[in-house]
Amino acid sequence: QQQVKQSPQSLIVQKGGIPIINCAYENTAFDYFPWYQQFPGKGPALLIAIRPDVSEKKEGRFTISFNKSAKQFSLHIMDSQPGDSATYFCAAIGSGNTGKLIFGQGTTLQVKP
Amino acid sequence: DGGITQSPKYLFRKEGQNVTLSCEQNLNHDAMYWYRQDPGQGLRLIYYSQIVNDFQKGDIAEGYSVSREKKESFPLTVTSAQKNPTAFYLCASKGRQGGLVYGYTFGSGTRLTVV
Repeated sequence: QQQVKQSPQSLIVQKGGIPIINCAYENTAFDYFPWYQQFPGKGPALLIAIRPDVSEKKEGRFTISFNKSAKQFSLHIMDSQPGDSATYFCAAIGSGNTGKLIFGQGTTLQVKP
Repeated sequence: DGGITQSPKYLFRKEGQNVTLSCEQNLNHDAMYWYRQDPGQGLRLIYYSQIVNDFQKGDIAEGYSVSREKKESFPLTVTSAQKNPTAFYLCASKGRQGGLVYGYTFGSGTRLTVV
């Protein structure tokens, strides 16, 4: 069963634009929400992550906004660059050391020069 | 540098053949995972292991088998019972990572194609 829903499936922006990727979850037992960036033929790499007791986190040009009451979170990429073109996955991890990683369906981002 | 090594990068399987994908980590992580990725889809969990000599089925375990005889190694066998094995396979481990409580580290993947 899908517990993390991600949208849109694909996104095209111009260089300098601010793409926004949205995710929603159902299970309130999740306590950690990472975002992964994946380039073709490579494994996903951790980009940024947030805990539900924080409403926003910024790391460089990447920002996560988190709405615990709505069970939604989103990734914003400021001043997007062609090198940001990749597939982005949101994910959620259950509480405790044994918590499994549940992925969203992924968003393919293309940043045009 | 610590990380996860998957081999081979590309693998071709004939009909009715079993193949084994290798996954080795030097991160000293207890938990290891196998995911399958199909084009345009997210990652689906095949098997996972929280500790040596123990493993559990994930969401799509049918047609796959694993072993966990060493902490560093978690090989995945794609058996002939897996009817649609063509996919990108990713191995991951979980443990304390930098400033994070529990982080997942992924390998670079093995692309398996049925010929």
